[in-house]
Amino acid sequence: LAKTTQPISMDSYEGQEVNITCSHNNIATNDYITWYQQFPSQGPRFIIQGYKTKVTNEVASLFIPADRKSSTLSLPRVSLSDTAVYYCLVGSFRGYIFGTGTRLKVLA
Amino acid sequence: DAEITQSPRHKITETGRQVTLACHQTWNHNNMFWYRQDLGHGLRLIHYSYGVQDTNKGEVSDGYSVSRSNTEDLPLTLESAASSQTSVYFCASSEGGLAGGRNTQYFGPGTRLTVL
Repeated sequence: LAKTTQPISMDSYEGQEVNITCSHNNIATNDYITWYQQFPSQGPRFIIQGYKTKVTNEVASLFIPADRKSSTLSLPRVSLSDTAVYYCLVGSFRGYIFGTGTRLKVLA
Repeated sequence: DAEITQSPRHKITETGRQVTLACHQTWNHNNMFWYRQDLGHGLRLIHYSYGVQDTNKGEVSDGYSVSRSNTEDLPLTLESAASSQTSVYFCASSEGGLAGGRNTQYFGPGTRLTVL
């Protein structure tokens, strides 16, 4: 199972773009990369998913280089409500491993 | 609306007792998962199931068991609760199929278990 590594914490200011990188060196061919957001006392919530190159939705972008050994979640113009823990998940039919998560704190 | 529920939301038990945590989803998802979350460890996979009668061990399965007798439910049993199993437990489900990790997982609200 592919393990992931993320920074433990990050601080940012409102209105800035935030980039969180996840390392997954032993990602397998069938694995997709998924990012989740978690607020205190709640279950994780899906943000974005990708396999390669770039994916964008209404809340975030996901950048995946050609070797797929890492990925970067980009949150444009963060607000105070984006303060949460962000998890990178690499999965396949063999199972799923969450990273330890990145605690993002957005400051006013 | 379809949803995933967990019960109880909070549970206090004693060491050595058997405890069962319930997970029920109404999406008709084939895949179901149990995770535990402890401070400093993020979420760790305990068991998962890809369909009725299918169960698989995850990263931290020792001391836990699951059974899948229907599509909607995946109860998690602690055979003999230990203080090290004090944690928050999350159940999740996804649509299914062996399509790699493409299926988005939807999480329940969690069960906070305390073992004294």
